[in-house]
Amino acid sequence: DGGITQSPKYLFRKEGQNVTLSCEQNLNHDAMYWYRQDPGQGLRLIYYSQIVNDFQKGDIAEGYSVSREKKESFPLTVTSAQKNPTAFYLCASSILAGDAATGELFFGEGSRLTVL
Amino acid sequence: AQKITQTQPGMFVQEKEAVTLDCTYDTSDPSYGLFWYKQPSSGEMIFLIYQGSYDQQNATEGRYSLNFQKARKSANLVISASQLGDSAMYFCAMRSYSSASKIIFGSGTRLSIRP
Repeated sequence: DGGITQSPKYLFRKEGQNVTLSCEQNLNHDAMYWYRQDPGQGLRLIYYSQIVNDFQKGDIAEGYSVSREKKESFPLTVTSAQKNPTAFYLCASSILAGDAATGELFFGEGSRLTVL
Repeated sequence: AQKITQTQPGMFVQEKEAVTLDCTYDTSDPSYGLFWYKQPSSGEMIFLIYQGSYDQQNATEGRYSLNFQKARKSANLVISASQLGDSAMYFCAMRSYSSASKIIFGSGTRLSIRP
């Protein structure tokens, strides 16, 4: 079945450690996104990418890094520079919006990161 | 700059009643799309409905309809005949086509349906 796979589902990290969250999609979508969600809050955009080897900062990119070496993969690294990394992270993908398509986001099940 | 505003942090509605969730947006882009998503307590994000800025008619999908008022920059979600399973967080989102397909979300509304 086509979809988006995020791993791990739960992750614990000590302060000062970098951690990488995996996101893989087999929907053949061009665009991929990373969002952060804090308890009871909305989704805030961290990074997004329209094509391989290109990505743009979202509204809260500080302390995060990404790569897009393959169309299917868009891993997110939470670095030690991120001051409050405990959150729920959602990866999403979409086709590039055009006249005949809504271009809605398809989401993974999320990764919950807790910093101890 | 783009912005999505949802002013209702939480709402309680009696089962079988209709409910309207508010969403206002701000963009200088003439071409954009508006989305609504549902997030149950499980955390998954479920796409509900879409409205394009040039669509002449309001979007409908089953019990969901979107009350799009372009001049007021509002895109309210209407759920008819609410059900217990509608209890969830609801998010309004916007895609601006001239901004490299950036999609932003509002802060959400927590909807609780009373039996």
